[in-house]
Amino acid sequence: LAKTTQPISMDSYEGQEVNITCSHNNIATNDYITWYQQFPSQGPRFIIQGYKTKVTNEVASLFIPADRKSSTLSLPRVSLSDTAVYYCLVDAPGYSSASKIIFGSGTRLSIRP
Amino acid sequence: GAGVSQSPSNKVTEKGKDVELRCDPISGHTALYWYRQSLGQGLEFLIYFQGNSAPDKSGLPSDRFSAERTGGSVSTLTIQRTQQEDSAVYLCASSLNEQRYEQYFGPGTRLTVT
Repeated sequence: LAKTTQPISMDSYEGQEVNITCSHNNIATNDYITWYQQFPSQGPRFIIQGYKTKVTNEVASLFIPADRKSSTLSLPRVSLSDTAVYYCLVDAPGYSSASKIIFGSGTRLSIRP
Repeated sequence: GAGVSQSPSNKVTEKGKDVELRCDPISGHTALYWYRQSLGQGLEFLIYFQGNSAPDKSGLPSDRFSAERTGGSVSTLTIQRTQQEDSAVYLCASSLNEQRYEQYFGPGTRLTVT
């Protein structure tokens, strides 16, 4: 089972780039890495998913080194509205039981003016 | 289009009572998940439905918990003889298929057992 480890909390300021790293030493060949964002009193929202190297979309980038034992979510020029909890997941869609989906405790990101 | 909806948004019940929580997934999504989130904690997987396959119940914490999915759409999570430790937010999510590329979450039901 691929357990993930993330920092409990991070602080930053508006306009800065924020990088949140997730460790997943036991990642399996079929596993993908997915990040979700959760605001208070809401369900999580999908941000980005990747398998290796770099993935970029309109809100974030995901960097995955060659050994895939970690990944880094990069949020460019954050704003106050990026204050949320960010979860890293490692999962093999279509290959494993859904019980393998482990969200963990996430990283609480606080953005200050 | 409409997202995942859940009802009720809040439920207060007395210890020992049964409760039913409802989830309406996105139309056309064949995969449906239930999670539980205690205050300040991550999400705990409970149960997974995919199409007509037998549900994956491996996350249910006890036999007081059960879930059904009727007609491949609406799902109901039932908790019998509720206990105070059942107090949490119950989240439902759906995804297009078993590939689980992106899960769409509902707003959750906050359950308080007094």
